Amino acid sequence: DAGVIQSPRHEVTEMGQEVTLRCKPISGHNSLFWYRQTMMRGLELLIYFNNNVPIDDSGMPEDRFSAKMPNASFSTLKIQPSEPRDSAVYFCASSLGRRAQNTEAFFGQGTRLTVV
Amino acid sequence: DAKTTQPTSMDCAEGRAANLPCNHSTISGNEYVYWYRQIHSQGPQYIIHGLKNNETNEMASLIITEDRKSSTLILPHATLRDTAVYYCIVVSGTYKYIFGTGTRLKVLA
Repeated sequence: DAGVIQSPRHEVTEMGQEVTLRCKPISGHNSLFWYRQTMMRGLELLIYFNNNVPIDDSGMPEDRFSAKMPNASFSTLKIQPSEPRDSAVYFCASSLGRRAQNTEAFFGQGTRLTVV
Repeated sequence: DAKTTQPTSMDCAEGRAANLPCNHSTISGNEYVYWYRQIHSQGPQYIIHGLKNNETNEMASLIITEDRKSSTLILPHATLRDTAVYYCIVVSGTYKYIFGTGTRLKVLA
């Protein structure tokens, strides 16, 4: 398996533009996570899906952020409109099973987003 | 989920064992201890996890104290490629992996 695949690897956009980040989880995994990493705040959990259903989106910063998982093999994180403070590395991760106990999460390589 | 405390940074000589401590004094009976590492802004990489017993795999060993209030990750023969930020995470029956600030390990030639 190729692991968790994220695209694009780098994205530079102007403030106010819509940004869509994409993630393909590992085949057979039914839990998917989106994280954001900045120097100031570290790794933050944004949203968690189980069996394609959003279970907890309490980490999503504000209404400008939305995430979808239309099927088991694809998820998107959208920012509209984007702002400079959204600049960060966004990671997608997947794991087998709903419960975090005894099941590790596998992370993608991340998307480095720069909003100018 | 229980909070963890780790030293901010550590150095280790290449070829020597790296021992990374983690304090999780508020851990409860059903919570696992997980270790991840992040190399130079790559995605975090799973290392090892355990509940009560010591664990070993091809990457590392995990020593958990009998009272489970602390643990130590051991990299038996550290190499330059082990330079990374190491995160100790306590996970209950929820889905959340909450990352703290971790320990920045620098392996010196």
